[in-house]
Amino acid sequence: QVQLQESGPGLVKPSQTLSLTCTVSGGSISSGDYYWSWIRQPPGKGLEWIGYIYYSGSTYYNPSLKSRVTISVDTSKNQFSLKLSSVTAADTAVYYCARVVPAAPGWFDPWGQGTLVTVSS
Amino acid sequence: SYELTQPPSVSVSPGQTARITCSGDALPKQYAYWYQQKPGQAPVLVIYKDSERPSGIPERFSGSSSGTTVTLTISGVQAEDEADYYCQSADSSGTPVFGTGTKVTVL
Repeated sequence: QVQLQESGPGLVKPSQTLSLTCTVSGGSISSGDYYWSWIRQPPGKGLEWIGYIYYSGSTYYNPSLKSRVTISVDTSKNQFSLKLSSVTAADTAVYYCARVVPAAPGWFDPWGQGTLVTVSS
Repeated sequence: SYELTQPPSVSVSPGQTARITCSGDALPKQYAYWYQQKPGQAPVLVIYKDSERPSGIPERFSGSSSGTTVTLTISGVQAEDEADYYCQSADSSGTPVFGTGTKVTVL
């Protein structure tokens, strides 16, 4: 079955850019059957959808984060990535990647284990 | 911005039934989904398309929908069901939205 694994720095300085990669195994991003998404969860708080991408490169972002977010895909490596610019302490969170099953609306299954990113100087 | 409202907490004794509600104006027009999240773990899908149960999810988990409210029901609650539960749907523009979350405590 498909598995997802996040990777990237666990500590980012304020005003810098957060960069994470999600590696997909057990399935191909290029199949076109799914979308691929990033979701975050601040410590002790709820879930916030960040955005998703299709294998073709089409993206859809949360309007509240759109000005700072870029999601890209590398089908040759079966990976997709997140960049979040101008980070502040409010961006400290566990970041999850997840597969999106297309529907109205789509749902997230499965999820990666998550990676904690702390924004601090 | 659009919100999906859940009760902050639900307490239930083992073997009893827990019901978790999720309210939102767009729910009559959008499917809802439910995720279980145990401490330190990623969320796991337990209900999709309002009332469908993924393979591997126990039958004691069920979902229903009525108007602007969807409900996750856990029948015959077990200690292992203690977790946070989140509903998920979308606003009128299709932007995915998660509920505020409900902590289920098994007494």
